[in-house]
Amino acid sequence: AQSVTQPDIHITVSEGASLELRCNYSYGATPYLFWYVQSPGQGLQLLLKYFSGDTLVQGIKGFEAEFKRSQSSFNLRKPSVHWSDAAEYFCAVGTNTGNQFYFGTGTSLTVIP
Amino acid sequence: GAVVSQHPSWVICKSGTSVKIECRSLDFQATTMFWYRQFPKQSLMLMATSNEGSKATYEQGVEKDKFLINHASLTLSTLTVTSAHPEDSSFYICSPRDLNVYGYTFGSGTRLTVV
Repeated sequence: AQSVTQPDIHITVSEGASLELRCNYSYGATPYLFWYVQSPGQGLQLLLKYFSGDTLVQGIKGFEAEFKRSQSSFNLRKPSVHWSDAAEYFCAVGTNTGNQFYFGTGTSLTVIP
Repeated sequence: GAVVSQHPSWVICKSGTSVKIECRSLDFQATTMFWYRQFPKQSLMLMATSNEGSKATYEQGVEKDKFLINHASLTLSTLTVTSAHPEDSSFYICSPRDLNVYGYTFGSGTRLTVV
């Protein structure tokens, strides 16, 4: 069965430090992978997505993610975190039929000055 | 493209009353609509999937008589929480599917509080 795992429930980083949020998936075929960000009380905003091609994907707000098939991972990175990046981050996988979409449990990011 | 409008953003209602949440796709047609629910500190869980003009398919554990979904047009779907109880308090998010672009768009969500 398809599933998405975000091992880190909560991460705290200092402003200006680098960030990596982990995501592992389980899916029988080539997955379509997404990262979303959710600010408190808000809906979801798409950061980036991977369908095919270059395994390093650039997104908005300076985020990038790398698809590693051998590790079934799609980790999100940012070289220098800003205080405004504090939010909940969700990794998700979609099927190639577009009929199913699975979210990870989310990682809460706190940024300290 | 792929602009979604979800209304209301938040609502407080009394226990036993019903609440309707609207989701509109403003610049595309959505033949399929997904409705999610998110409890505090948890991830989004799919409640139901609806296709325009047909009955919705509900996930296991979701009461179809309590959460009424109407998807009468390609640009509008509604979720009605009937006879709401405090345990229905949650964040509800719609996700209309844009057939022209693979990917999923989401509404801004509705925070429902039942008192």
